[in-house]
Amino acid sequence: DTGVSQDPRHKITKRGQNVTFRCDPISEHNRLYWYRQTLGQGPEFLTYFQNEAQLEKSRLLSDRFSAERPKGSFSTLEIQRTEQGDSAMYLCASSAPLETGGAGGEKLFFGSGTQLSVL
Amino acid sequence: AQSVAQPEDQVNVAEGNPLTVKCTYSVSGNPYLFWYVQYPNRGLQFLLKYITGDNLVKGSYGFEAEFNKSQTSFHLKKPSALVSDSALYFCAVRAGGGNKLTFGTGTQLKVEL
Repeated sequence: DTGVSQDPRHKITKRGQNVTFRCDPISEHNRLYWYRQTLGQGPEFLTYFQNEAQLEKSRLLSDRFSAERPKGSFSTLEIQRTEQGDSAMYLCASSAPLETGGAGGEKLFFGSGTQLSVL
Repeated sequence: AQSVAQPEDQVNVAEGNPLTVKCTYSVSGNPYLFWYVQYPNRGLQFLLKYITGDNLVKGSYGFEAEFNKSQTSFHLKKPSALVSDSALYFCAVRAGGGNKLTFGTGTQLKVEL
């Protein structure tokens, strides 16, 4: 178990530029989540994948945000035309379904995040 | 809509004393409840969860939490705090069968000698 890895760790960009982040989940995990965390707040749900299918997307997510998970392995999160309000820590998490019990009871494994600063 | 409230931004406790970090929740249907901990410059780590069964659940590092359905609470507890427990603690809730995990705003725990 090598853990969830995210790249880059830090990204500084100018307003209006596009940025892309990558997440590599734990290899046997078929579920992948993106969250956003700002200072003093808890992580806020952005989107969820099961294998390669994007099954849920937050209504708070602007059209400038897009996420993909080709082949059900790594995932990318792209932000187009960045704004200063996009500055935050972007967290990726993965999980595997429980062998028993209802859906939703599994624990999430989080990466260390990508800190985005938009100048 | 589901939500979590952590009423205390910070909790201070002396090492060796018991600690409690409070959490209340709101969700439709049966709640799945979680506690996660975040150390500086590290990712969120799972501590414990309640899905069903015994209202008192035990987790990592000697932590436990008690599910109280009537009070819609899931307080985190530890009988004897350690300085190394100092971190940011998040309570989270998920509706049974749902995909979205909703977090509270976090409580900074500070354990002093």
